Amino acid sequence: DAMVIQNPRYQVTQFGKPVTLSCSQTLNHNVMYWYQQKSSQAPKLLFHYYDKDFNNEADTPDNFQSRRPNTSFCFLDIRSPGLGDAAMYLCATSPDSLNQPQHFGDGTRLSIL
Amino acid sequence: QKEVEQNSGPLSVPEGAIASLNCTYSDRGSQSFFWYRQYSGKSPELIMFIYSNGDKEDGRFTAQLNKASQYVSLLIRDSQPSDSATYLCAVNFINNNDMRFGAGTRLTVKP
Repeated sequence: DAMVIQNPRYQVTQFGKPVTLSCSQTLNHNVMYWYQQKSSQAPKLLFHYYDKDFNNEADTPDNFQSRRPNTSFCFLDIRSPGLGDAAMYLCATSPDSLNQPQHFGDGTRLSIL
Repeated sequence: QKEVEQNSGPLSVPEGAIASLNCTYSDRGSQSFFWYRQYSGKSPELIMFIYSNGDKEDGRFTAQLNKASQYVSLLIRDSQPSDSATYLCAVNFINNNDMRFGAGTRLTVKP
């Protein structure tokens, strides 16, 4: 089945230690998104790629970076995680634009020690 | 005003009843509206999307959109205990070229 796969499902890192979360998709969608969702809160869009065109949300901290080396893969890099970065990180895709429904991966739950 | 606003709930309905979930949004130019269901600890899954004013039905689900009032709703007919989840409203904000989610309404369907 075509899908969006996130690895790992659970990630534990130390305060200040860089961490990378990964997302892959077999849907061949042009748009990929990264969201941060904290408990009982709305998913918050961090950035999205339209193909290789990177779009950063204005309030996304500089601590968060992203890479999309090809259509299938997208990475979220947190350079110096703080306690406030503990959250569920969701990757999603849509075929061609933000006007279309998004397909979500299962998410990576990040804990900071 | 919050950008996408939903009643947090919990909304509790008996099995077989109609559940009504509401959402208002602040960007008058928005064109695309989505309802996602999210079970605890899981990722959102698409329930419905709607682009035009009026009603759109899919099985037990009906989405209703009123752009003049900046209001979108989701009706769930014949509610089942398996419908118990948080329902997220999402709106494409044209002016910001991004997607904004509401914090969700927690629905409980009691057997």
